[in-house]
Amino acid sequence: GQNIDQPTEMTATEGAIVQINCTYQTSGFNGLFWYQQHAGEAPTFLSYNVLDGLEEKGRFSSFLSRSKGYSYLLLKELQMKDSASYLCAVKDSNYQLIWGAGTKLIIKP
Amino acid sequence: DVKVTQSSRYLVKRTGEKVFLECVQDMDHENMFWYRQDPGLGLRLIYFSYDVKMKEKGDIPEGYSVSREKKERFSLILESASTNQTSMYLCASSPLAGHSDEQYFGPGTRLTVT
Repeated sequence: GQNIDQPTEMTATEGAIVQINCTYQTSGFNGLFWYQQHAGEAPTFLSYNVLDGLEEKGRFSSFLSRSKGYSYLLLKELQMKDSASYLCAVKDSNYQLIWGAGTKLIIKP
Repeated sequence: DVKVTQSSRYLVKRTGEKVFLECVQDMDHENMFWYRQDPGLGLRLIYFSYDVKMKEKGDIPEGYSVSREKKERFSLILESASTNQTSMYLCASSPLAGHSDEQYFGPGTRLTVT
């Protein structure tokens, strides 16, 4: 079966760095997405990786290793507004998105 | 600014009722999707559509149907609502299939079936 695993919840301190991991087992791979979802709101796109390596976008970076079935989202200089759920999703061989359950990130002052 | 709107943020219906959830996008996207989101589970795809009058079943289509009569509008129908369909329903759209086609989501409809 297809599976996306991410930690259920993480806590970090304002101003610090946090890494949210995502491992996947899917039938085929056509890219990995990270989305941010604030409580009660719609998910919004953060990043897309299809090749191995690190993609940096401001305070957020996303890393992919296809051979290990692994990705992480790195958030630097954490702000209170970064408190949200972070969803990992993989596009499989049929170009359908398989979603993880999300990681709830709690930022403490 | 891209926009996906859903007809209701909150909805309460009785078991057995027919329920219509409407989604409209203003980005001229070809693809539209309906998901449900439940605590502890990832987004699960109910139905999607690649074109007007075209529909494809997702992972959990049982108990649901859809309609896409116009490009910008994608409706989800619960033929006879049941309590296990209490959930958050999210609509999304994306441009014609490409490798990096991100999906744009509406604000969601929280449906409670009593």
